[in-house]
Amino acid sequence: KNQVEQSPQSLIILEGKNCTLQCNYTVSPFSNLRWYKQDTGRGPVSLTIMTFSENTKSNGRYTATLDADTKQSSLHITASQLSDSASYICVVSVGGSYIPTFGRGTSLIVHP
Amino acid sequence: SQTIHQWPATLVQPVGSPLSLECTVEGTSNPNLYWYRQAAGRGLQLLFYSVGIGQISSEVPQNLSASRPQDRQFILSSKKLLLSDSGFYLCAWSVARTNTEAFFGQGTRLTVV
Repeated sequence: KNQVEQSPQSLIILEGKNCTLQCNYTVSPFSNLRWYKQDTGRGPVSLTIMTFSENTKSNGRYTATLDADTKQSSLHITASQLSDSASYICVVSVGGSYIPTFGRGTSLIVHP
Repeated sequence: SQTIHQWPATLVQPVGSPLSLECTVEGTSNPNLYWYRQAAGRGLQLLFYSVGIGQISSEVPQNLSASRPQDRQFILSSKKLLLSDSGFYLCAWSVARTNTEAFFGQGTRLTVV
């Protein structure tokens, strides 16, 4: 069964600090992995998308890594800001399917 | 550029009343279209997806139905709402015949009272 597990479930950090969110998946065959940011009460917005051959991709202060061998991905946030407070969702797509598999998300709270 | 519109943003409906949520996409043709529901503190649950007009696939048996009367229009409906239908509903689209990035609407917060 295709699954995406994210950790931690929630995280509280101080403004200016770095943090790393984890995503482990058992999806097969792997097609791509995406990280989304979802502000409270809003739709998710894509941060990065990576295919099998890519092992790192950055979007401003967000850097995603992918290890296709261990089926793990991480999202690193540098110099966090209050606006980073949101849910971060890992989404993995299966080759040949239009239906992605979603993780439950990590809720990040950045305190001043 | 492509845009997705979803409305209404919030909705309060009594139990047993009908429901119609509408989603439209602009700037692309024959998109894959999706309806998701997100319960409080939970992940996104796929309800329906469509790869073309009149083609609807249901992922979870429920009190809801979906229709795609036009290429870029996706409607989520119910004849009689239940309390358990409350949640945050999201429409999304992706490029036709691919499983790449999905673009989400702003969501509808439905409260059934």
